[in-house]
Amino acid sequence: ELKVEQNPLFLSMQEGKNYTIYCNYSTTSDRLYWYRQDPGKSLESLFVLLSNGAVKQEGRLMASLDTKARLSTLHITAAVHDLSATYFCGKAAGNKLTFGGGTRVLVKP
Amino acid sequence: EPEVTQTPSHQVTQMGQEVILRCVPISNHLYFYWYRQILGQKVEFLVSFYNNEISEKSEIFDDQFSVERPDGSNFTLKIRSTKLEDSAMYFCASSELRGTNEKLFFGSGTQLSVL
Repeated sequence: ELKVEQNPLFLSMQEGKNYTIYCNYSTTSDRLYWYRQDPGKSLESLFVLLSNGAVKQEGRLMASLDTKARLSTLHITAAVHDLSATYFCGKAAGNKLTFGGGTRVLVKP
Repeated sequence: EPEVTQTPSHQVTQMGQEVILRCVPISNHLYFYWYRQILGQKVEFLVSFYNNEISEKSEIFDDQFSVERPDGSNFTLKIRSTKLEDSAMYFCASSELRGTNEKLFFGSGTQLSVL
């Protein structure tokens, strides 16, 4: 059974500093997703990573995938308040997406 | 930008009652999903649906649950006899493709409260 673990569960950030969220998964399978969720809202797709070494960037967020280590990272550069949200990674296996437990990010001024 | 639409946004029901949660996926999408999120917990897969049949389901999706695509646009999740533990946010999702470039679009969710 595919297991997806995220850490940390909670990240208190200072504006302007850099941080990383880690996503480990237990079995090799296909796509790796990163989503953002604001309180009471739905999941907003950030990135889809397909292959080993894949790196995608959008604004202050950069995601990477290392399939050999079964690890994906979401790197936040120069955090700003607008990035406060919960971030989920999700690993696809067939038709099913298994999510990690989420990382709640709070960016303080 | 096209989006997945869910109704109602909130549903309150009594234990043992039937509920139907409705979703309108993005129009050219072929794959449909239901996920749920109990308050403060991770998002969990319930079921996937393609070509008018269930393609995969989780252990959560027992005989009390069913899905249907009654017409060309709606995709519904029915819970036949609700339990307290069914209280959660239910998300519908759809995708155009399955495979290399699949991007899953989620609706805004239906908050189900079972009393």
